[in-house]
Parts: sequence; structure tokens; C-alpha cells
Amino acid sequence: QVQLVESGGGVVQSGRSLRLSCAASGFTFSSYGMNWVRQAPGKGLEWVAVISHDGIYTNFADSVKGRVSISRDNSNNTLSLQMNSLRADDTAIYYCAKDFRRGYTVRGSFDVWGQGTMVTVSS
Amino acid sequence: QSALTQPASVAGSPGQSITISCTGTRSDVGGYNYVSWYQQHPGKAPKLMIYDVSNRPSGVSDRFSGSKSGNTASLTISGLQAEDEADYYCSSYASSSSLVIFGGGTKLTVL
Repeated sequence: QVQLVESGGGVVQSGRSLRLSCAASGFTFSSYGMNWVRQAPGKGLEWVAVISHDGIYTNFADSVKGRVSISRDNSNNTLSLQMNSLRADDTAIYYCAKDFRRGYTVRGSFDVWGQGTMVTVSS
Repeated sequence: QSALTQPASVAGSPGQSITISCTGTRSDVGGYNYVSWYQQHPGKAPKLMIYDVSNRPSGVSDRFSGSKSGNTASLTISGLQAEDEADYYCSSYASSSSLVIFGGGTKLTVL
């Protein structure tokens, strides 16, 4: 079945780096844009980043721009999020989410979500 | 880019209908027909309920419908059921540096 499984979360000190991964299965990964969306404890959803189906185009939320990069490996059906200079307000569950439409269509419609991986930034 | 504005909570009795609003600006909700709605139960990942303002993905009940007027989008749930109790979030494409913005979320209580 269609599935996304995140990994790489944990407790990290402020200012350090962390790399999250997302393993995709059950669909043609290379045909869809992929996103990261986060949710701070008890708070709402916040879109973080998107990468086009072919990895050529990326875009980031203002809150993480310059500190975060997104990449994908279409041969291994994996998505990654490299987070640097982590801050306390980066503490959240990080979800990877599949675009509803094929190609690179940034419309905020995500039809498949992983279970999330928790990132806690300690001071 | 500020989050879209949703009411913090709404409530309804089984069988009734409720509507959740999502207010933005001409740079997001009002400027594009790219509003989506998500349902999130506690401890679970969000689920796409509506995309492109008023379209339902396959498998989503037709009790869920979406619409838009000006800068405000709405999600209506008819024939409320106990399992509809959840948090609901709207999202929209935005012509700003942050391409996608979410609403703050609305907690739906089924009385």
C-alpha cells in the first residue's frame, strides 16, 4: 500500500544539525513533488519545504530559509531534510507528505502523510 | 506570511451541519482556487478531505463539502457523526516566499 515512513528524529542541542529521512513505497515516487510539514506540540500545522518530482526545484518557509535543505533520491525512493542551526522553536513532529498531483504543482494539497518523527531541540 | 484565520472551536450535535471558516487575503485564499482542508484525529497524521476549494479525494464522504467566497473559504460537514470529532485545518497556496500556509486549526466537538 501507499506509505511514507519518517526517521531520524530525536533530541538535539540548540545550534546543532539533524537529518530527517522519509522512505516511500506503493507509488511512483519520482512522479510527485514531496513536502515536509511540521507540528509543534499542541500547535497547528506549518509547511516547511517542497521539492519537485525531479529534484530540480525547491522552496522553503520563511521560518527555515537558509537553515534547511531538502533533497530526494528517486532511485531509492527516499526524501531527506537537512536541518542546521536548530532552535528551540524547531521542536515539532515532522511529517513528510506527498503532493496530490503529479509533477511540480505547489497547491498545498497533500494526500499521503507519514506517521511523523519527533524533533526536540534542547537548550 | 500570517497563518489563515480559523475559529478555535465549533460544536454540533449528531445529524446537524456545521461550517468552519478560513479567512485569508487576496494573496492566498482570495487569489487562487487552491484551498485544501485536512482532518486530524489526536495522535494521528492529517488526512486530506478537500482540495482545490471544493473537490473531494476518492474515499472521502460526500458529507464533507467546500466552498469559497472572496477571501474566505468554508468547510461544511453535514449529518455530523461522532467520528467527525477532530481538528480541522485549511491550507492555501500563497504568492509569497512561503508558498503554502495553513490555518491555525479548528477543534470540532460533536455533542
